[in-house]
Amino acid sequence: NAGVTQTPKFQVLKTGQSMTLQCAQDMNHEYMSWYRQDPGMGLRLIHYSVGAGITDQGEVPNGYNVSRSTTEDFPLRLLSAAPSQTSVYFCATRPGGGGNQPQHFGDGTRLSIL
Amino acid sequence: GENVEQHPSTLSVQEGDSAVIKCTYSDSASNYFPWYKQELGKRPQLIIDIRSNVGEKKDQRIAVTLNKTAKHFSLHITETQPEDSAVYFCASTDTGTASKLTFGTGTRLQVTL
Repeated sequence: NAGVTQTPKFQVLKTGQSMTLQCAQDMNHEYMSWYRQDPGMGLRLIHYSVGAGITDQGEVPNGYNVSRSTTEDFPLRLLSAAPSQTSVYFCATRPGGGGNQPQHFGDGTRLSIL
Repeated sequence: GENVEQHPSTLSVQEGDSAVIKCTYSDSASNYFPWYKQELGKRPQLIIDIRSNVGEKKDQRIAVTLNKTAKHFSLHITETQPEDSAVYFCASTDTGTASKLTFGTGTRLQVTL
C-alpha cells in the first residue's frame, strides 16, 4: 500500500498561472483534507471532504477549489496563483465515522509562486 | 471555531533531560488530542494521541497528559535523544464525522549533546 500519495513534490509557478495538486490514497479512507504549512503558523485547513461528492471549506479556503468525484482522489486547484500561496501543501486522510482517529499525511508539495 | 495555543515555540534541552510542551484549547466539545512530530522536510507523523476519557497515556519515553477542566494537554519526553530533535505539533478535534483537526503553531525541539 502506498498510503497517501501527493504529486508533484515541487512546483514553481508564475503569478496568475493555474495548477492542480494531486492527492491519492489507497486506504479507502472516507475523510480527506488539504492543509497548508507556513513558517510559524502550523498547519491550516484549506478544504476537506467526508466522502465522494461532498466537500467543505476549512480555515483558509480563498483562492482554492476542490472536488471529490471518487473515494481515492482529492485534487486541490489553484485557479490564479498568487505569491501569498507559496507554501508547503499537505494532504491528509482518516477513516470515516468520527474525528477521533489518526490522520495520515502525504509527503507534501512544495509550491513557490513568483 | 477551535483555537489551539502551543508553548514554547522553541525548546533546547541536553541529551538525557526531559522536555515538556504545553497546549491549551478553547472548544469544550474537543475530545481527541493527537501529537505529531515533523522532521525537517518530512511529513507530520503521529507519535501519540489521547482521548478525553483518560487523563494520561504513555508510550515508552513519551507521555501525554490531559486536563479537560482546564482545557490543556501536555507532551512529555523523557531521556531525550538527538533523534528527538524535530518540530512537534499538538492538535485537537471533536468526534463528529465532519470534525476538523486544529493544530497548534508548533514547538521546535533541539536536543544537544
